[in-house]
Amino acid sequence: KNEVEQSPQNLTAQEGEFITINCSYSVGISALHWLQQHPGGGIVSLFMLSSGKKKHGRLIATINIQEKHSSLHITASHPRDSAVYICAVRSRVNYQLIWGAGTKLIIKP
Amino acid sequence: DAGVTQSPTHLIKTRGQQVTLRCSPKSGHDTVSWYQQALGQGPQFIFQYYEEEERQRGNFPDRFSGHQFPNYSSELNVNALWLGDSALYLCASSSLSGGLGGAGGQYFGPGTRLTVT
Repeated sequence: KNEVEQSPQNLTAQEGEFITINCSYSVGISALHWLQQHPGGGIVSLFMLSSGKKKHGRLIATINIQEKHSSLHITASHPRDSAVYICAVRSRVNYQLIWGAGTKLIIKP
Repeated sequence: DAGVTQSPTHLIKTRGQQVTLRCSPKSGHDTVSWYQQALGQGPQFIFQYYEEEERQRGNFPDRFSGHQFPNYSSELNVNALWLGDSALYLCASSSLSGGLGGAGGQYFGPGTRLTVT
């Protein structure tokens, strides 16, 4: 079992829909990252969370430390949101980033 | 601020050759981490450099080596290339003064796509 699990693996939605991507982890962490990777490879860090909730524009990220679960929400989705969204946690033991496999999101116009 | 830059953007090598990839961190950052991302998979941690020393290393063979310079830029060297080394190589910079615990976030470069034929 992977230490960081994301769901769903693939998600196709219509423009305007509310999107939720989930991340569960099994290790002790000091922080959780949500990242966005576009075709071609460049990775952008969206959020870094250690508790609670963060909001940036149409993006919202939440984390529940007790349940070891985080969600990334996109409101009013747009085709330009199409990308792979990756959850990564920083291990409290060795401080390395442990990566989820990513969720491929396609937003159709 | 140019952010994290990497060079070259694309590279084609043949089996057995050696390759050097370069990374310049974001201004103000002193720590550089390297990742290998095979097609369709998440990035795998190779190693991290701070104060010109390798501080942490993932599960990669000694063919993978690195260096950090006094200006904090870094190189990743891969010797005796295998076909399986074909991947996107990502560099990320951060500030250790933010704490290893992650108070400082990591910023990623655009990556170097290496193809081994």
